[in-house]
Amino acid sequence: IQMTQSPSSLSASVGDRVTITCRASQSISIYLNWYLQKPGEAPKLLIYAASSLQSGVPSRFSGSGSETDFTLTISGLQPEDFATYYCQQSHSTPTWTFGQGTKVEIK
Amino acid sequence: EVQLVESGGGLVQPGGSLRLSCAASGFTVSSNTMSWVRQAPGKGLEWVSLIYSGGTTHYADSVKGRFTISRDNSKNTLYLQMNSLRAEDTAVYYCARGGVHIVGVTAIPFFDYWGQGALVTVSS
Repeated sequence: IQMTQSPSSLSASVGDRVTITCRASQSISIYLNWYLQKPGEAPKLLIYAASSLQSGVPSRFSGSGSETDFTLTISGLQPEDFATYYCQQSHSTPTWTFGQGTKVEIK
Repeated sequence: EVQLVESGGGLVQPGGSLRLSCAASGFTVSSNTMSWVRQAPGKGLEWVSLIYSGGTTHYADSVKGRFTISRDNSKNTLYLQMNSLRAEDTAVYYCARGGVHIVGVTAIPFFDYWGQGALVTVSS
């Protein structure tokens, strides 16, 4: 299953609402997870099962979607949110695949 | 507190071997699904291998027949034995714990904890 994220990168300002999309090459129900990765650090789980917020993750992060089209939204971008975001499908166990990443940069 | 600490990375020549270790604390490795995920320099994430709590293992096609995942229950440690290494295996290798979200009769997997990564460089 191929995962395609858009855009590949974006520039935004603190306080902006940011939306990242992820499209699966076939239906994956809600087997979709989102991760954030900062330079030199390991990925961190943000959202699992398309819309469930991982414990400890700020509520400004939200996820939605099902089947083939998914969205990660950051409502009120904070300085610590500038990073690369990856979607990941876990439908085709165990050959899980990631999107190519979306880099969120400071405008 | 859950922690995963990788070790064993380094520089190796093409065709060589290396074994990565991932020492876990705060949970029991053998009771969880554990995976290795890698990231080539400047690239995205690629799932490499996993071992289920029952011991069943799986591999990405790109490493099948060359890499072996295993665990030592007495040391609460996950391993990745990498043989016949190629330049394209150069990457940071992360170990990750598998979590699961139950919805009715459906179990949705995800990676809930990650180690800090170990850099493997394959070059002559």
